[in-house]
Amino acid sequence: ELKVEQNPLFLSMQEGKNYTIYCNYSTTSDRLYWYRQDPGKSLESLFVLLSNGAVKQEGRLMASLDTKARLSTLHITAAVHDLSATYFCAVDIWGRDDKIIFGKGTRLHILP
Amino acid sequence: GAVVSQHPSWVICKSGTSVKIECRSLDFQATTMFWYRQFPKQSLMLMATSNEGSKATYEQGVEKDKFLINHASLTLSTLTVTSAHPEDSSFYICSAILLGQEKETQYFGPGTRLLVL
Repeated sequence: ELKVEQNPLFLSMQEGKNYTIYCNYSTTSDRLYWYRQDPGKSLESLFVLLSNGAVKQEGRLMASLDTKARLSTLHITAAVHDLSATYFCAVDIWGRDDKIIFGKGTRLHILP
Repeated sequence: GAVVSQHPSWVICKSGTSVKIECRSLDFQATTMFWYRQFPKQSLMLMATSNEGSKATYEQGVEKDKFLINHASLTLSTLTVTSAHPEDSSFYICSAILLGQEKETQYFGPGTRLLVL
């Protein structure tokens, strides 16, 4: 059974600081997604990582994928209050069950 | 970009009634749509995979007779919560896959918040 674990589950940090959210998964996959969810809203796609070593950046967020370690990271640089949200990683197992499995999410609270 | 809509955005109903939620892909065709449920402060849990023209595939523990899914066309899937009870109150989110691009990804609808009294 595929398990997707995020760490930490809750993070409170000051503006201007850097931090990393980790996403570990338990079986082989070459496709990993990061999503953002604001309170009461649906999911917004942030990144799709398709291969080992993939790195993508958008503004203050950068995501990477290491398929050998089964690890993805979402790095936040010089955090700002607007980045406060819940961030989910999700791993794709299309070839087997045609579905993706979500981590539990990381609630990020950035203090002004 | 690809847009997925849901209707209604929120619904309040009495216990024992049925509620239908629609999921539409507005500018693309989707042979596969997914239905998720999210309880407060929890992650998304996949309920079922909806395939156009065939029966939905339900996840373990999801009652197919309670959560009826119909994927009648390439742009519409519906989820009907039959004989709803307060424990069915949740945030229901659908998604659709856009194929044929470098990055195959799911596009999520805005969600439907269901409150069963």
